[in-house]
Amino acid sequence: QLQESGPGLVKPSETLSLTCTVSGGSTSSNTYYWGWIRQPPGKGLEWIGSVYYSGSTYYNPSLKSRVTISVDTSKNHFSLRLSSVTAADTAVYYCARQSRAGTMIRAFFDPWGQGTLVTVSS
Amino acid sequence: EIVLTQSPGTLSLSPGESATLSCRASQSVRSNYLAWYQQKPGQAPRLLIFGASSRATGIPDRFSGSGSGTDFILTISRLEPEDFAVYYCQQYGSSPETFGQGTNVEIK
Repeated sequence: QLQESGPGLVKPSETLSLTCTVSGGSTSSNTYYWGWIRQPPGKGLEWIGSVYYSGSTYYNPSLKSRVTISVDTSKNHFSLRLSSVTAADTAVYYCARQSRAGTMIRAFFDPWGQGTLVTVSS
Repeated sequence: EIVLTQSPGTLSLSPGESATLSCRASQSVRSNYLAWYQQKPGQAPRLLIFGASSRATGIPDRFSGSGSGTDFILTISRLEPEDFAVYYCQQYGSSPETFGQGTNVEIK
């Protein structure tokens, strides 16, 4: 199980911060990556980035300059920070476990957290 | 990045009918590394299919995936009331991972 937490309202130009707490599994596992995906209201899904237990990260180039994803294996959670937010960053933010498949170290997402709506507004 | 285009945007069908959803990639998806998800209103996406044709754990066999290269299909045979939802494809053969824009399967 994965559960997102964090503020539901962030002011423009500030930093969005979310945490995903993992239960029934371990962020110390060397089998999985741990990812963040977002969905603007009424729109489709966008991968933000993923982190490995070692702290190794991969980010979507479209967001890379503003994103930081980290993992705290002692607390069994991982976190997202998105800086300089605008109204375009308003979305439901999901965390998810990302499996390996074949030769791909990052593949499909399963399971997902329930998601948390973050609104960017003054 | 690979752009995934799903069609149709909306599919209006009755329970018991079959649904055929398309996902076309802007370039070949390496090793058919393509997944399908189902999303119901207010819920997170749920993994249905990975590797283009392998069903995820607990997914009924009325869901099937096929295709290769740039063209992939999700087929839902004998639609059940709980199958009416939005379906997304996702490729993971090259970074960044990308999703299609979704197909809404609605009750006719």
